[in-house]
Formats: sequence, C-alpha cells, structure tokens
Amino acid sequence: EAAVTQSPRSKVAVTGGKVTLSCHQTNNHDYMYWYRQDTGHGLRLIHYSYVADSTEKGDIPDGYKASRPSQENFSLILELASLSQTAVYFCASSLLGLQDTQYFGPGTRLLVL
Amino acid sequence: AQSVTQPDARVTVSEGASLQLRCKYSYSGTPYLFWYVQYPRQGLQLLLKYYSGDPVVQGVNGFEAEFIKSNSSFHLRKASVHWSDSAVYFCAVTGGYKVVFGSGTRLLVSP
Repeated sequence: EAAVTQSPRSKVAVTGGKVTLSCHQTNNHDYMYWYRQDTGHGLRLIHYSYVADSTEKGDIPDGYKASRPSQENFSLILELASLSQTAVYFCASSLLGLQDTQYFGPGTRLLVL
Repeated sequence: AQSVTQPDARVTVSEGASLQLRCKYSYSGTPYLFWYVQYPRQGLQLLLKYYSGDPVVQGVNGFEAEFIKSNSSFHLRKASVHWSDSAVYFCAVTGGYKVVFGSGTRLLVSP
C-alpha cells in the first residue's frame, strides 16, 4: 500500500480563493515536507515539520501556510491562491531529516485560474 | 550556496545501450547526494544515495553513481537500459538543513 498519500490529486482553484492540500503518511516518520514542482524545474521546499503541532519554513514559504496536527498528517494551505501558485505539489516524509531518504506522495496538480 | 546542475534536459538512448546522466553540485561541506527517479504521474523514488565510503554506490535496477569530489560530480550510470527506464531523473544535494534538487533529466529509451 502507498505509504504517502495526497488529496486531492488535482484541483482547479480561483484566484483569491483558499486551497488546502492534504498529506497522510503511514511510515511512522517524524519529518514531513511540502514541495512544489514547476515544469522543467526541480523541487523546491515550501515548509517542513519534524514534530506534530510544529512547522518550519523552507526555501519558498511566502504565500503558504502549513499545519501538522498529528504525526501522520501534514497540510499545505494557500489562503489567497494566486496564478503563480499553479504547480504540482509533492508531500514527502523521512525518518531522520533531509539527509535521509525521502518517500514521496503521488503529487497534487493545482491549477489557479 | 548550494546548487545542483543537470546540464542535459533530455537524453535519448537506444534500448540496451549504456547510459550516463550528469550531475554537478556545489556545496561547501560534506554533502549527502541522492538520485531520484520520477515516472509519469508518480512521486519521486530513491535510486541511490551517497554520504561516505566507497565512491561508487550501487542502487536499484542496475543503476550506480560515482562520487568524484575533485570534480564535484555525482554522475548516474547504467550499463544497459531498458524501455521501462524512461522517466525523469533528479539529482539532489543536502547538508541536512537545506536540500537542492536539480532541474531533472528526461530520459527516453527508444526501441
């Protein structure tokens, strides 16, 4: 069974609307991450968390919030979606932080119109 | 600053041919290096990783990579590719507090 799942798998949102992307992992990992992938580019880290009820900013946190209500769940929130946030978003988990293998979800395709 | 360069956006090879995908990195300390593969409509999956020890590291499905410190390179190799290897390959570097992914190399294996 997939150890990292994401929902929804795709979404169309309107500019200025609120979007919530959800991630669930069954790896029993402490670390979870949110990345965005733009066409032709590598992944960029938005937010991460190493413990429930705490989140940290990654490299591109502006315009995004994160929430880690439990070890298994990690959400990415776009309070006011913008056209520039159209991308594919990946969630990942790891046991020991960035130096460890990350296990990725299948991604969420977000289109902001 | 950390950076990763994958100079080849697309590579096409014939099935059964050998493969090398290039990765050069910039990192001031001792890096953790990774190669991930992304199949269509899927998340990234680890092929192999390196931190220390033998500079040639073996991965899944016959892939290997060689860490050459003097050249700041971590090229991915495979002796004989299969059509199922067609995918996008990402090189990544981290020191533990920041991770940088390359822009990826799309591999097409032709019959």
